Amino acid sequence: QKEVEQDPGPLSVPEGAIVSLNCTYSNSAFQYFMWYRQYSRKGPELLMYTYSSGNKEDGRFTAQVDKSSKYISLFIRDSQPSDSATYLCAIRGGIGANSKLTFGKGITLSVRP
Amino acid sequence: DVKVTQSSRYLVKRTGEKVFLECVQDMDHENMFWYRQDPGLGLRLIYFSYDVKMKEKGDIPEGYSVSREKKERFSLILESASTNQTSMYLCASSSWGDPNTEAFFGQGTRLTVV
Repeated sequence: QKEVEQDPGPLSVPEGAIVSLNCTYSNSAFQYFMWYRQYSRKGPELLMYTYSSGNKEDGRFTAQVDKSSKYISLFIRDSQPSDSATYLCAIRGGIGANSKLTFGKGITLSVRP
Repeated sequence: DVKVTQSSRYLVKRTGEKVFLECVQDMDHENMFWYRQDPGLGLRLIYFSYDVKMKEKGDIPEGYSVSREKKERFSLILESASTNQTSMYLCASSSWGDPNTEAFFGQGTRLTVV
């Protein structure tokens, strides 16, 4: 089983839709959960970051972590064409030498005007 | 506002050539990473370094080596480039002791081996 599995894409939604992006992970030792957004021909940039279980909200974006089921989600409300990008979930084991990031494969989202 | 800089955006090399990809960060981060990104395979970790002169193999180290002589610089070396190493290469850095800091990525180097 891969360490991080991400729902395959691509995903196309109309403007204004609610988008749900999901990942599962296998190692219960993971502590830090991130979502990166990558625009075409750019490097990924951090969108949301959470530690342990719970929700975190930032404007139209909500990140959710359920450690009991090893499931992480990103919700986008009122999606906009500018949200069209590839979204990658990432998990970090800890700090120091154990702090490498493991990424999901990414899902490409297209928001149609 | 430059954080992570990769020396080239696009490179074309011939099979068998030795290729150097350079990455420099200006945030005094201890950790530095090299990933490659391929369609359908996502980001895969090649090597990472958590300190000067320290290196750890990632998931796909075969055919690659790295060098970290200074804290701010992390080099990826393709000893003898092959066509299956055609890919987008991404460098990243992060802080060692602060879990609240994100990993910053460079813009990527698109390498084509012909």
